[in-house]
Amino acid sequence: EIVLTQSPATLSLSLGERATLSCRASQSVSSYLAWYQQKPGQAPRLLIYDASNRATGIPARVSGSGSGTDFTLTISSLEPEDFAVYYCQQRRKWPLTFGGGTKVEIK
Amino acid sequence: EVQVLESGGGLVQPGGSLRLSCAASGFTFSSYGMHWVRQAPGKGLEWVSSATSSGDNTYYADSVKGRFTISRDNSKNTLYLQMNSLRAEDTAVYYCAKGTVTTMLYFDYWGQGTLVTVSS
Repeated sequence: EIVLTQSPATLSLSLGERATLSCRASQSVSSYLAWYQQKPGQAPRLLIYDASNRATGIPARVSGSGSGTDFTLTISSLEPEDFAVYYCQQRRKWPLTFGGGTKVEIK
Repeated sequence: EVQVLESGGGLVQPGGSLRLSCAASGFTFSSYGMHWVRQAPGKGLEWVSSATSSGDNTYYADSVKGRFTISRDNSKNTLYLQMNSLRAEDTAVYYCAKGTVTTMLYFDYWGQGTLVTVSS
């Protein structure tokens, strides 16, 4: 099973700041990695797929990068709606796996 | 508008069974892989099971293999999850999710979830 480790667990930032979230895989997943956002009481939303492709309707301030075992989700300037929990997910091998999540909170 | 709507959750005793349903609309259901993902209270996301567009191929997490069965009825645009031999650790919100068009293995539309509580 491919284990995804996200860091940090919590990120405390202010509006307008840059958020950088990390996801590290226990073995190479090539570029087969997605990012999701989840707000309290809501279902997750797909943000990024195949490491760097924005899903439909996702703003340009959200970007993804990386390949192999190290991936980054960047939000260039935090807006109020960006404070949430973010998960990475790999599709390289069964079973599909998620990271443990990073919470982005208001400082 | 794409919609997926789960139903069938509730309180069940350990060892019991439950069948979840997911009604889909707004897309050609028979063309997409579909999935179940769960989230225990206060915890992260856990993939549970997937079915290809035809339903001919199914996949399971080790934690549910042999106890859960995924199926679909493309004539009814509905996905199912039959859950047997339920355990306390199966307590979670169960989400139904649609696979993406380029690959079925990401989840681009999710339902609001149905809560399954396993307790005596």
